[in-house]
Amino acid sequence: EDQVTQSPEALRLQEGESSSLNCSYTVSGLRGLFWYRQDPGKGPEFLFTLYSAGEEKEKERLKATLTKKESFLHITAPKPEDSATYLCAVQISGGGADGLTFGKGTHLIIQP
Amino acid sequence: ETGVTQSPTHLIKTRGQQVTLRCSSQSGHNTVSWYQQALGQGPQFIFQYYREEENGRGNFPPRFSGLQFPNYSSELNVNALELDDSALYLCASSANRGLNEKLFFGSGTQLSVL
Repeated sequence: EDQVTQSPEALRLQEGESSSLNCSYTVSGLRGLFWYRQDPGKGPEFLFTLYSAGEEKEKERLKATLTKKESFLHITAPKPEDSATYLCAVQISGGGADGLTFGKGTHLIIQP
Repeated sequence: ETGVTQSPTHLIKTRGQQVTLRCSSQSGHNTVSWYQQALGQGPQFIFQYYREEENGRGNFPPRFSGLQFPNYSSELNVNALELDDSALYLCASSANRGLNEKLFFGSGTQLSVL
């Protein structure tokens, strides 16, 4: 069964304190791995797509990396506005449905 | 350019009733997907519509059904509501079928079943 596991479930950091969020996956055929950000009361907002091991993408203070078993979202010198739930999702190849399989997310709080 | 809009924002129903949720996709997008997000969980894929046809379905029973209209707006219908159907229902549109890069989500409809 395809699975996506995110850790930690929650993380509290001081402003400027860098850290990483983990997304491990067990899927039959990875088509793409996605990172989304979700603010309270809102729908998820797209951040990155990664397609193959070794790929990296950056946006402002965020960098996403991908290996054959997991992905990391690195947050460098975070600010309070980076507080949100970060969701990882995979799309598998060969399936009849084209939906994404999401993890439960990491709830990130950045304290000033 | 308008984003994805969903209505209503909140809804309270009782067990056994039926509900219809609505979604207007982003301008230029022809594919709509629906997701269910229970409290503290990630979104779960319900189904996807492309050019008015169901294009894929997740592990949800037939009492979850949908429609897509010629203007690419969409409806999610749930019959015989159960308590476990209480969740945030998210609609997402995309420019392409199949390749789910850059799904644009609405803010969702919060459904409470009593």
